[in-house]
Amino acid sequence: AQSVTQLDSQVPVFEEAPVELRCNYSSSVSVYLFWYVQYPNQGLQLLLKYLSGSTLVKGINGFEAEFNKSQTSFHLRKPSVHISDTAEYFCAVSPSASEKLVFGKGTKLTVNP
Amino acid sequence: DGGITQSPKYLFRKEGQNVTLSCEQNLNHDAMYWYRQDPGQGLRLIYYSQIVNDFQKGDIAEGYSVSREKKESFPLTVTSAQKNPTAFYLCASSPSGTVIEKLFFGSGTQLSVL
Repeated sequence: AQSVTQLDSQVPVFEEAPVELRCNYSSSVSVYLFWYVQYPNQGLQLLLKYLSGSTLVKGINGFEAEFNKSQTSFHLRKPSVHISDTAEYFCAVSPSASEKLVFGKGTKLTVNP
Repeated sequence: DGGITQSPKYLFRKEGQNVTLSCEQNLNHDAMYWYRQDPGQGLRLIYYSQIVNDFQKGDIAEGYSVSREKKESFPLTVTSAQKNPTAFYLCASSPSGTVIEKLFFGSGTQLSVL
């Protein structure tokens, strides 16, 4: 069965510092990969997705992620974070041609002044 | 504006009571999903429906029931058989019922037990 591991449950950083949120998945087949963001007491919003093509994917709010097939990873990065980036971030995977999405347990990013 | 509407935002359940969470979408999407979110557990799939009048169990369907009589509506009933119902419930939809390229989420319902 497909699984997603987010290696850090909490990541505290200072404003304007770079950040990387790590995500690894288990699969030997072609997959679609996603990062979602959730602000307190709200639903999830799509940050970015990898379906095919270039392994470096750019998303909203200055975030980007790199698909690494050999390491089965899809880490999320931002070169300079803002207070408003404080939220919970979820990595998700769907085998291509699948009707289900599997989510990781989430990483809480806290940006401090 | 197109989107997904979940209601109510907060819901309280008494012992032995069934409660129904509403989810409506006006995006004309074929597929709809219910997820349960517990702190530190991520999102777990309860039920999903790829087309009207059809639905499948997800990973944690016990104690829940759904219906899909209309394309735009996918209500979730939390039955008395669900012994630990306190959680944040998220409804989502996808244009395609067979391949997920993006999920659109509602703003959630927080269910608590009195």
